[in-house]
Amino acid sequence: IAGITQAPTSQILAAGRRMTLRCTQDMRHNAMYWYRQDLGLGLRLIHYSNTAGTTGKGEVPDGYSVSRANTDDFPLTLASAVPSQTSVYFCASSDGEGSETQYFGPGTRLLVL
Amino acid sequence: GQNIDQPTEMTATEGAIVQINCTYQTSGFNGLFWYQQHAGEAPTFLSYNVLDGLEEKGRFSSFLSRSKGYSYLLLKELQMKDSASYLCAVRDSNYQLIWGAGTKLIIKP
Repeated sequence: IAGITQAPTSQILAAGRRMTLRCTQDMRHNAMYWYRQDLGLGLRLIHYSNTAGTTGKGEVPDGYSVSRANTDDFPLTLASAVPSQTSVYFCASSDGEGSETQYFGPGTRLLVL
Repeated sequence: GQNIDQPTEMTATEGAIVQINCTYQTSGFNGLFWYQQHAGEAPTFLSYNVLDGLEEKGRFSSFLSRSKGYSYLLLKELQMKDSASYLCAVRDSNYQLIWGAGTKLIIKP
């Protein structure tokens, strides 16, 4: 089934630990994005990639890093988790053509204690 | 700064019509999106407006006025399954999406 997958679905993490959230798409979309969604706030862009091999910083990049080694995968790494990174994380992709509608993965619910 | 405003919550009756408003102030404008998000799920695309006017898609319509920085999403013949949050997003001059906090729509029988 075409779409975006994310792993894990949810995670409880001790503060100070390193964590990588995985995102894979099979739609051959050029652009990929990582957002966090917190109660009462809109989706906030963490990092993005317009094409394989390139990445850019979004609105809230501090404490996060990404890589884009190929078209399909766009992992998000928290080098040393802090409680303020407790959130729901969504990965999205777009084809970069026309309206560039973004399609979202199911999300990862992360709790940092 | 950039800002997207939507009502936090709205309530409507099954079978009725509801209009969800969105006003925006962004650095540039390259289109406005509406997404639906059911609780615990991912946002899903509903509509896209880049020119002024009304776009109709079945029971859902979206309107845009660029001069007023204003859009609305109109939902007709409301069904219980329409209970969800509705997210307004504007693509700015950097082609990044700026998101509103969303409007939670509660449908009552």
